[in-house]
Amino acid sequence: QQQVKQSPQSLIVQKGGIPIINCAYENTAFDYFPWYQQFPGKGPALLIAIRPDVSEKKEGRFTISFNKSAKQFSLHIMDSQPGDSATYFCAASNQGGSEKLVFGKGTKLTVNP
Amino acid sequence: NAGVTQTPKFRILKIGQSMTLQCTQDMNHNYMYWYRQDPGMGLKLIYYSVGAGITDKGEVPNGYNVSRSTTEDFPLRLELAAPSQTSVYFCASRTGGQGYNSPLHFGNGTRLTVT
Repeated sequence: QQQVKQSPQSLIVQKGGIPIINCAYENTAFDYFPWYQQFPGKGPALLIAIRPDVSEKKEGRFTISFNKSAKQFSLHIMDSQPGDSATYFCAASNQGGSEKLVFGKGTKLTVNP
Repeated sequence: NAGVTQTPKFRILKIGQSMTLQCTQDMNHNYMYWYRQDPGMGLKLIYYSVGAGITDKGEVPNGYNVSRSTTEDFPLRLELAAPSQTSVYFCASRTGGQGYNSPLHFGNGTRLTVT
């Protein structure tokens, strides 16, 4: 049972474009929503994270938008650069419960020059 | 700090062979995890540990075993390797407590092929 659904599976944009990656979750007990970035041959690394008490969080060119009622959250990358080409994973967990972070299936982003 | 170190980087096994994937971290993290990553399938949790001497199953534990005798090391053992275990394996660690203040730190993975 997939608890976090991520789309699209792949995404190609031109430099300067604004790619958007979407995730939906089912478990209303989830209260921590991180995004991880993975470059080829490397392990994932935390990019940005949000808690459900805020609707938006920005860190540099990366923004998470969170819609608690719809149980959806998304990652926006402003002024995307070729160096942003990577696979992005959304994830969710229940901080008060299990230690297990549930990951989406990932989105491979390609930013063309 | 080296962070999370995984060895080997690559390995080819024959069906039925066994091996141990090594993971060590130098950040004094209490919590350690093993994930497998298959194309288009995201990261699946195999086993995790909240401290030395304590381990627990994740989503896909069958065919694997772990031990945690020290804070630093969390080896993953594959017994009787099968083609279904062909994957990229990632070890991760974090300090503990709430995840918002304790993100996962991943190693660079071990690419395993079973033929």
